[in-house]
Amino acid sequence: EPEVTQTPSHQVTQMGQEVILRCVPISNHLYFYWYRQILGQKVEFLVSFYNNEISEKSEIFDDQFSVERPDGSNFTLKIRSTKLEDSAMYFCASREVLQGGTTLQETQYFGPGTRLLVL
Amino acid sequence: EDKVVQSPLSLVVHEGDTVTLNCSYEVTNFRSLLWYKQEKKAPTFLFMLTSSGIEKKSGRLSSILDKKELSSILNITATQTGDSAIYLCAVGRRDDKIIFGKGTRLHILP
Repeated sequence: EPEVTQTPSHQVTQMGQEVILRCVPISNHLYFYWYRQILGQKVEFLVSFYNNEISEKSEIFDDQFSVERPDGSNFTLKIRSTKLEDSAMYFCASREVLQGGTTLQETQYFGPGTRLLVL
Repeated sequence: EDKVVQSPLSLVVHEGDTVTLNCSYEVTNFRSLLWYKQEKKAPTFLFMLTSSGIEKKSGRLSSILDKKELSSILNITATQTGDSAIYLCAVGRRDDKIIFGKGTRLHILP
């Protein structure tokens, strides 16, 4: 069964360093997302990406963050100058859109996440 | 401000019981309501609901949306210990933003 993959599974970095989190969405999916989940808190939407550009972003997704689809398969989240409060689990997700009769079906698949710890 | 509220926050039942998890929302430009199950790591997709009153079923799980009441329920019948997880409700907006609730932590006792 196809799945979203993410690397690395864990990353430890020093405050102020840049990190790049990598995701390989499911190959025929067109919509991609990044979320984060701070320990013990709810999942928070960061950004959605479609047709090689950001379609929507949350208030959290400020100039410190950027996303890229550099080669048609990878989808990356870059965090510049990391802060302590960036420590969280970061999930990538991709979405397919299936037309079933007159009903539009959407199924969003999450990757296993990257746990980022900023020291 | 958009919000998704789930209740209860946690629930402990015995194997075989039926549970009902609630989700209410206040979200502009509503497109869909989604249910996920989160065990150790990543959420796994359960249901997507867009139309009021149409029940979606998958095995022992079912869900329905009430757009008039801005709410949804997730039912699990004949619960098993493997159903223990955090169940997340999320609302997708037409602009592709997705807002998650805090989840209901369900624990099934053997």
